[in-house]
Amino acid sequence: ELKVEQNPLFLSMQEGKNYTIYCNYSTTSDRLYWYRQDPGKSLESLFVLLSNGAVKQEGRLMASLDTKARLSTLHITAAVHDLSATYFCAVEGTGNYQLIWGAGTKLIIKP
Amino acid sequence: DTGVSQDPRHKITKRGQNVTFRCDPISEHNRLYWYRQTLGQGPEFLTYFQNEAQLEKSRLLSDRFSAERPKGSFSTLEIQRTEQGDSAMYLCASSPTWQAGGRRETQYFGPGTRLLVL
Repeated sequence: ELKVEQNPLFLSMQEGKNYTIYCNYSTTSDRLYWYRQDPGKSLESLFVLLSNGAVKQEGRLMASLDTKARLSTLHITAAVHDLSATYFCAVEGTGNYQLIWGAGTKLIIKP
Repeated sequence: DTGVSQDPRHKITKRGQNVTFRCDPISEHNRLYWYRQTLGQGPEFLTYFQNEAQLEKSRLLSDRFSAERPKGSFSTLEIQRTEQGDSAMYLCASSPTWQAGGRRETQYFGPGTRLLVL
């Protein structure tokens, strides 16, 4: 059974600092997603990672995937308050279209 | 195109009542998904349609839950005899089969329907 674990589950940081969110999954997967969710809102797609060594960057966020280690990271550079949200990783199982989700990392960035 | 839409956005019902939610996917997206999300948790997959065919169902989807996509466009999710444990956000997402380059696209989510069962 595919399981996805994120850590930390909660992160409070100051503006301008760097930090990394980790996403581990338990079995082989075809692809990994990162989403953002603001309170009371739906999910916004950030990145889709399709292969080992994939790296994608958008603004202050950078995501990478190591399929051998079954690990993805979401790195935040020089955090700003607008990045405060909950970040989810989700993994698609092989041979089906279900997304299995982590519990989310609630990120609070203090001015 | 305005994205995935869901109706209603909020629903309060009494235990034992039936409720029905609607999802309109992005035009020409032939894949449609339903998820459930409780407070502080990630979404849980419920079911998946390709066109009008329901191809996958989670074991979370008890016999009180039924989903349809009769013409391969909009979808409905019905919960019969609601229980307090059904209180959650119900999310719908859609995706096309293939995009340019032969890769499947990401799933685009609607705003969700928040259900409260009293």
